[in-house]
Amino acid sequence: DTAVSQTPKYLVTQMGNDKSIKCEQNLGHDTMYWYKQDSKKFLKIMFSYNNKELIINETVPNRFSPKSPDKAHLNLHINSLELGDSAVYFCASSQVQDGYTFGSGTRLTVV
Amino acid sequence: AQSVTQPDIHITVSEGASLELRCNYSYGATPYLFWYVQSPGQGLQLLLKYFSGDTLVQGIKGFEAEFKRSQSSFNLRKPSVHWSDAAEYFCAVGAENDMRFGAGTRLTVKP
Repeated sequence: DTAVSQTPKYLVTQMGNDKSIKCEQNLGHDTMYWYKQDSKKFLKIMFSYNNKELIINETVPNRFSPKSPDKAHLNLHINSLELGDSAVYFCASSQVQDGYTFGSGTRLTVV
Repeated sequence: AQSVTQPDIHITVSEGASLELRCNYSYGATPYLFWYVQSPGQGLQLLLKYFSGDTLVQGIKGFEAEFKRSQSSFNLRKPSVHWSDAAEYFCAVGAENDMRFGAGTRLTVKP
């Protein structure tokens, strides 16, 4: 069973489109995250949610809107996609005693 | 927020040689510290973590790290590097609901 699963694995889309990435964790963790990894491999936190409540929003454009319907899911919706949004997006979950577990990533390419 | 510095962007070592990857952190309280490895096109794999207790932490694949509070460091070591260790290595510092990564160190292994 995959602990943190995100779909799709690859996403190619045109500028201006709206797309969503889904994330689910079966670890029972209270906190979930979205990270963006750019072409230089730098991993930057975008959002964190604790038990469906937004905790961190790291100066991410309003075009990015996370949604957490329950504590096992944290989806990322992106409006009006831009070339600069091309990156790998990682979902993660954590619980203090367990540490952080990452999904396998979604490679988004905007053309 | 906490921050992490990995001073070495790229390190090259010969197979069989020892390895030390440096990591310095900034955080006001006792941090949770992690090392992750990322192979090309892959997700993040946890090598080891430090929460409390013994400051020398053993991880997977023969890696270890030592937490030194006086130096705000958490350096990763391996006594003998294998060609399969070539990858990107990330140090991270975690607080409640928030984890920040260093910029990463790319490890190249020479035959």
